[in-house]
Amino acid sequence: DQQVKQNSPSLSVQEGRISILNCDYTNSMFDYFLWYKKYPAEGPTFLISISSIKDKNEDGRFTVFLNKSAKHLSLHIVPSQPGDSAVYFCAASAEQTGANNLFFGTGTRLTVIP
Amino acid sequence: KAGVTQTPRYLIKTRGQQVTLSCSPISGHRSVSWYQQTPGQGLQFLFEYFSETQRNKGNFPGRFSGRQFSNSRSEMNVSTLELGDSALYLCASSLGGDARETQYFGPGTRLLVL
Repeated sequence: DQQVKQNSPSLSVQEGRISILNCDYTNSMFDYFLWYKKYPAEGPTFLISISSIKDKNEDGRFTVFLNKSAKHLSLHIVPSQPGDSAVYFCAASAEQTGANNLFFGTGTRLTVIP
Repeated sequence: KAGVTQTPRYLIKTRGQQVTLSCSPISGHRSVSWYQQTPGQGLQFLFEYFSETQRNKGNFPGRFSGRQFSNSRSEMNVSTLELGDSALYLCASSLGGDARETQYFGPGTRLLVL
């Protein structure tokens, strides 16, 4: 049973425009959310995180928004760059199941077109 | 600082055999978590070790086991391999404290079971 879902397997965006990647979750116990980026033949690289007590967290070009009532989070990348082309995973954890027990979505492949 | 390293990077085994994978965490990190990534299920949490003790466990059969040494290096063992065990096995390390910390992933070991 997939508790974290990324319903868009792929997304293409023009360079300089905004990329919006979406993620939904079902477990209301999740209280910490993360986004990872993965290039081929490499492990996932941490991008940004957000605690459930916040609804927005920003780090440079990356912003994560959390809507707890809708059990939805999104990652905004502005402006998008060709080097952002990768697979993006959202992940969630709950204190009850362990901070390092991350539940991952299946990923969205972002392609930024120059 | 050196990143998380995993050996071997690629492995081919046959059904019924067993396999041992190794993970060396970032220096100073005491927590090591293991994940399995398959095309159908995405990234799934196997278990976490902290200070040589299993601190958390996912929903995998007992054929999957692990251990951690005093230097925080960790090994994962899969016995009686099945075709469905073919996957990318990722380990991630973190400091291991109580606060939510970033997990840093290694490049993974790709296992093919024939």
